[in-house]
Amino acid sequence: QPVLTQSPSASASLGASVKLTCTLRSGHSSYAIAWHQQQPERGPRYLMKLNSDGSHSKGDGIPDRFSGSSSGAEHYLTISSLQSEDEADYYCQTWGTGIRVFGGGTKLTVL
Amino acid sequence: EVQLVESGGGLVQPGRSLRLSCTGSGFTFGDYAMSWVRQAPGKGLEWVGFIRNKAYGGTTEYAASVKGRFSISRDDSKSIAYLQMNSLEIEDTAVYYCNREVGGAPDYWGQGTLVTVSS
Repeated sequence: QPVLTQSPSASASLGASVKLTCTLRSGHSSYAIAWHQQQPERGPRYLMKLNSDGSHSKGDGIPDRFSGSSSGAEHYLTISSLQSEDEADYYCQTWGTGIRVFGGGTKLTVL
Repeated sequence: EVQLVESGGGLVQPGRSLRLSCTGSGFTFGDYAMSWVRQAPGKGLEWVGFIRNKAYGGTTEYAASVKGRFSISRDDSKSIAYLQMNSLEIEDTAVYYCNREVGGAPDYWGQGTLVTVSS
């Protein structure tokens, strides 16, 4: 079982909201995670860090439409008022003392 | 403005070596851990390794897939982090990104440099 699990794909309509999920493997539920966005043909961009208590800190210039929350081992990225440029791959990531791990990513399609 | 620029990618034969550079600007380079992440064609992100800042000993950690073949170093006077890749394999073909870390999470990414391992 991977450390981080993400659904391979998600879709939502233009202007709507979508909630992406990143699940930590059992025994790792206290770990913080980060969310990264990768638009087509571009490098990744840091969105935010989510702590296990639900507190979060966003990257520079990240719109208020992007928000994060947590519930136990599950961490969420909610994107509201979806825009066409939000169509991208979204990766969650966690870390330990000497290791970093990425989830498999969720491909978000904006309909 | 924080910027990270990777360079040094290219076409290399299996078994050969290549060194990538990551030049940072817009921040005090020596204050941060720096890491490398790669992405094979059509695949997801894979962590390669990172180097701590000098305050934490400047030590390094690597993914199992590259341990013993890849090494990371830094020259804080030049604001550059290096990824030395030896004994390259076809499976190392990927875009390599460097990033600045804060508390384990990359908060800035470079644009990436493509490494193609092929005969």
